[in-house]
Amino acid sequence: GAVVSQHPSWVICKSGTSVKIECRSLDFQATTMFWYRQFPKQSLMLMATSNEGSKATYEQGVEKDKFLINHASLTLSTLTVTSAHPEDSSFYICSANPGPYNEQFFGPGTRLTVL
Amino acid sequence: QKEVEQNSGPLSVPEGAIASLNCTYSDRGSQSFFWYRQYSGKSPELIMSIYSNGDKEDGRFTAQLNKASQYVSLLIRDSQPSDSATYLCAVARSTGGGNKLTFGTGTQLKVEL
Repeated sequence: GAVVSQHPSWVICKSGTSVKIECRSLDFQATTMFWYRQFPKQSLMLMATSNEGSKATYEQGVEKDKFLINHASLTLSTLTVTSAHPEDSSFYICSANPGPYNEQFFGPGTRLTVL
Repeated sequence: QKEVEQNSGPLSVPEGAIASLNCTYSDRGSQSFFWYRQYSGKSPELIMSIYSNGDKEDGRFTAQLNKASQYVSLLIRDSQPSDSATYLCAVARSTGGGNKLTFGTGTQLKVEL
């Protein structure tokens, strides 16, 4: 149980384009999902908390107009990186919490490369 | 002071030995504690959760929690080369679902043949 998928697993795009990443909970419903970014050799950085049916909560320093989050259903959250630039190249990972406790289960991650 | 502190390592142990990974946290109100394993280039995988003081065992893994000392540890018995990874400690302020986790920077474990 508690399986989370992400799509795509990797993406290469040109500078200035937008990229959408999907995060799905496959065998449970998730009111809350989380989006992280991880640069090489660094720890996880929480970007935002995605709440089904309401606006996402962004961490300090994360541009909400650049990283658009939509949690339209109890099994799907999307992260759109708008007008991507090379500095946005990173490993983006989502997680979901099936409840009732705080365990988060992570998707396999999406590796974004912006040329 | 970082909210969750871990020694970055690398911690090297011989195969078959016990690996001991440590974590301290600053928020005395923390209620939930987790250990994740992350292989290079992969996403984190939950291996242990603990909520009460004392020990919790699951197979070769034992998590230990001491809230008074604000300390949580992970013991890996009979360490195998496949245990070589970065281990992340994470804490949350409550036990209820939907709350964000605060992660440490991780300890790299190397199990040598």
